[in-house]
Amino acid sequence: EAQVTQNPRYLITVTGKKLTVTCSQNMNHEYMSWYRQDPGLGLRQIYYSMNVEVTDKGDVPEGYKVSRKEKRNFPLILESPSPNQTSLYFCASFPWGNTEAFFGQGTRLTVV
Amino acid sequence: EDQVTQSPEALRLQEGESSSLNCSYTVSGLRGLFWYRQDPGKGPEFLFTLYSAGEEKEKERLKATLTKKESFLHITAPKPEDSATYLCAVETSYDKVIFGPGTSLSVIP
Repeated sequence: EAQVTQNPRYLITVTGKKLTVTCSQNMNHEYMSWYRQDPGLGLRQIYYSMNVEVTDKGDVPEGYKVSRKEKRNFPLILESPSPNQTSLYFCASFPWGNTEAFFGQGTRLTVV
Repeated sequence: EDQVTQSPEALRLQEGESSSLNCSYTVSGLRGLFWYRQDPGKGPEFLFTLYSAGEEKEKERLKATLTKKESFLHITAPKPEDSATYLCAVETSYDKVIFGPGTSLSVIP
């Protein structure tokens, strides 16, 4: 089954404690992207990757890092989380040409 | 500045009452416009892609249309199971995908 898998689904952490949210896709898609979704603001792009070892900043990259060492994995790293990073995060993968996006189930992160 | 807006923010319909959702965009070169459905607590689910003005796509009770400045998602005779948030997204000529804030649709039996 074609899918994008994110882990964990829920995470509560404290300010400054490094964390990683994993994202894996099994469709051999080149393009992957991370979004955060906040009430009234919709989905905002954090980082995206057009292929292995190629990453670019989206609209809200501050405080986040990503890596793309393998085609299937695109982890999101928060080196020093802060309360304003409390949000619902989605990973998505797109086939070449950016047509139909496949989204993960989301990770609800709370930073206290 | 590239921008995607959606209206209304929320829409409440009686079962069977047809209506339309709007997505307006201002971007530097449109490669494609996408519609997604999002249920609470879940990731968006792809519905349609439109590429050029005049194009239409249909799926069950939903029909999406595209003009040079906006897209409409028409819902014909909606059912309660059509209740969800509908997201519009635009892919720009420089490989960026921008999402609108969404329209929350409630269909009352």
